Amino acid sequence: EPEVTQTPSHQVTQMGQEVILRCVPISNHLYFYWYRQILGQKVEFLVSFYNNEISEKSEIFDDQFSVERPDGSNFTLKIRSTKLEDSAMYFCASGRRTGRDSPLHFGNGTRLTVT
Amino acid sequence: AQSVAQPEDQVNVAEGNPLTVKCTYSVSGNPYLFWYVQYPNRGLQFLLKYITGDNLVKGSYGFEAEFNKSQTSFHLKKPSALVSDSALYFCAVRDPGGSQGNLIFGKGTKLSVKP
Repeated sequence: EPEVTQTPSHQVTQMGQEVILRCVPISNHLYFYWYRQILGQKVEFLVSFYNNEISEKSEIFDDQFSVERPDGSNFTLKIRSTKLEDSAMYFCASGRRTGRDSPLHFGNGTRLTVT
Repeated sequence: AQSVAQPEDQVNVAEGNPLTVKCTYSVSGNPYLFWYVQYPNRGLQFLLKYITGDNLVKGSYGFEAEFNKSQTSFHLKKPSALVSDSALYFCAVRDPGGSQGNLIFGKGTKLSVKP
């Protein structure tokens, strides 16, 4: 069964540095998402992306964050200047079609540690 | 505001016994409800969903969930638990009147099944 793949599995960075988290969604999916989960807390929506533009973003997704689909397969999340509170597990997800009944398929996540 | 509550941080069950993981929701209108499971160091896996129709929905790995509109609940159940069911379970809701991309997750319930 096709999967959403994320790299790296673990990223350690110093505060103030830029990081790029990478995702390869399922190939015939058209809707892409980033979620994050701070240790011990809820999974939180960050951003959704469709047709090469952001569809929606949460309050968390401020100017330090950006997303990009640079080619036909990758979907990236960039954090421009990391803060300690950005330490979390970041999940990429994709969906095959529109519709609120369509389940999302999640990757295994990238654990980001900001020191 | 839309929200999901999972009142139990942890549920402990003996193998072979039935299990229930509780979820209640608060949305305007009719909700779209989902259950996801997260195994250690893995992403979120879709288990089942309720959109409309029969209040009892069946999903992967023998799980089922019962939608109860009057109690605004969507409890996850399994008639006979397995040790391999031990994982973190998340209830999630999409408000049909709200954003397409935004899944609102509960905080998760850790299920522990002992032999």
